[in-house]
Amino acid sequence: RKEVEQDPGPFNVPEGATVAFNCTYSNSASQSFFWYRQDCRKEPKLLMSVYSSGNEDGRFTAQLNRASQYISLLIRDSKLSDSATYLCVVNMAGGGNKLTFGTGTQLKVEL
Amino acid sequence: DGGITQSPKYLFRKEGQNVTLSCEQNLNHDAMYWYRQDPGQGLRLIYYSQIVNDFQKGDIAEGYSVSREKKESFPLTVTSAQKNPTAFYLCASSIRDRPYEQYFGPGTRLTVT
Repeated sequence: RKEVEQDPGPFNVPEGATVAFNCTYSNSASQSFFWYRQDCRKEPKLLMSVYSSGNEDGRFTAQLNRASQYISLLIRDSKLSDSATYLCVVNMAGGGNKLTFGTGTQLKVEL
Repeated sequence: DGGITQSPKYLFRKEGQNVTLSCEQNLNHDAMYWYRQDPGQGLRLIYYSQIVNDFQKGDIAEGYSVSREKKESFPLTVTSAQKNPTAFYLCASSIRDRPYEQYFGPGTRLTVT
């Protein structure tokens, strides 16, 4: 089983739609969770951290479910510019400062 | 403007040659990292350094070497011992107190034939 698993997609959604991605992680003692965004053939950029209490930043909401070992990212009122690959990133227990990256979920927002 | 630069953007080499990828940052970050990204796989950590003159192996260090003689610079050498060197290489940096917030350079696409 992969340490961090994501549905690769692509998720093709119309502009204005609400879309949600999930990511599961294998190590129940994992400590920190993040969503990064990566545009095609570009470098990843931190989108948001994921806290136990949930985290909202504008149209983006991230949540953590420790019992089921998954994190989620919800995008409301999606824009064409949201088209990208969303990487789930976990700091595994015992990993020090190292991050473990999922393979990413591709989102395509269409007119 | 502060940031991370990687050069070159595209690099082509013949099999059997060592090649060094450049990574420079002017963010005053203590920690620097090297990852490779392959299609269908997540980023995998090659080497990281938390302070000048010190570095640690990541998950896939075999066939690679690094140095950290200056805070701003963390070059990666892909040696001929690396069996599958063709990949997208990404360098990142972070401040010591927020190691999870990593800033990435634009990457170098290495093709070895």
